[in-house]
Amino acid sequence: AQKITQTQPGMFVQEKEAVTLDCTYDTSDQSYGLFWYKQPSSGEMIFLIYQGSYDEQNATEGRYSLNFQKARKSANLVISASQLGDSAMYFCAMRTNNDMRFGAGTRLTVKP
Amino acid sequence: DGGITQSPKYLFRKEGQNVTLSCEQNLNHDAMYWYRQDPGQGLRLIYYSQIVNDFQKGDIAEGYSVSREKKESFPLTVTSAQKNPTAFYLCASSPWTYGSYNEQFFGPGTRLTVL
Repeated sequence: AQKITQTQPGMFVQEKEAVTLDCTYDTSDQSYGLFWYKQPSSGEMIFLIYQGSYDEQNATEGRYSLNFQKARKSANLVISASQLGDSAMYFCAMRTNNDMRFGAGTRLTVKP
Repeated sequence: DGGITQSPKYLFRKEGQNVTLSCEQNLNHDAMYWYRQDPGQGLRLIYYSQIVNDFQKGDIAEGYSVSREKKESFPLTVTSAQKNPTAFYLCASSPWTYGSYNEQFFGPGTRLTVL
């Protein structure tokens, strides 16, 4: 069965510093997609970044980058130059053709 | 503006009552999804639909029902058989292409409380 693990329930980072949020996954499928979403206190899920299992380059979207290590089955999110508005819950997710799984999330708090 | 709307934002229900949560999208997406989120936890898939008049159970479908009569709409009914329905419910949609993993777009959610 597919599984997503986020081992950091909470993280703190100083404003303007970089932070890495961990995500590991387990699947027997060769083809899959990995996603990161941000959930502010309002509750809406905001898509941040995507990595396909066959993509050789790590995905980047502005201040977000995904550190994809396929052999280790990890897909860590790196946020550079943290801003106060980055404080939120962050969810890692994996999608296969017939399944979509989310991790338990990491609550990131950015300190001024 | 394109997007996903969910209504109502807050919903209160008495035990033993069925209640229907609305989800509408004007993004022309083929696939739609319903998730449940409990406090401090991730999302769990209830039902999903890839095309009109077809839907599949997710991990926690018991006590829920859906319909997909129109491409734009995917309502979720929480029945009295759902033992612990108090939760935050999120609807999502995405384009559907076999073998391609498009991101899901989410609505603002409905917070259901059983009194």
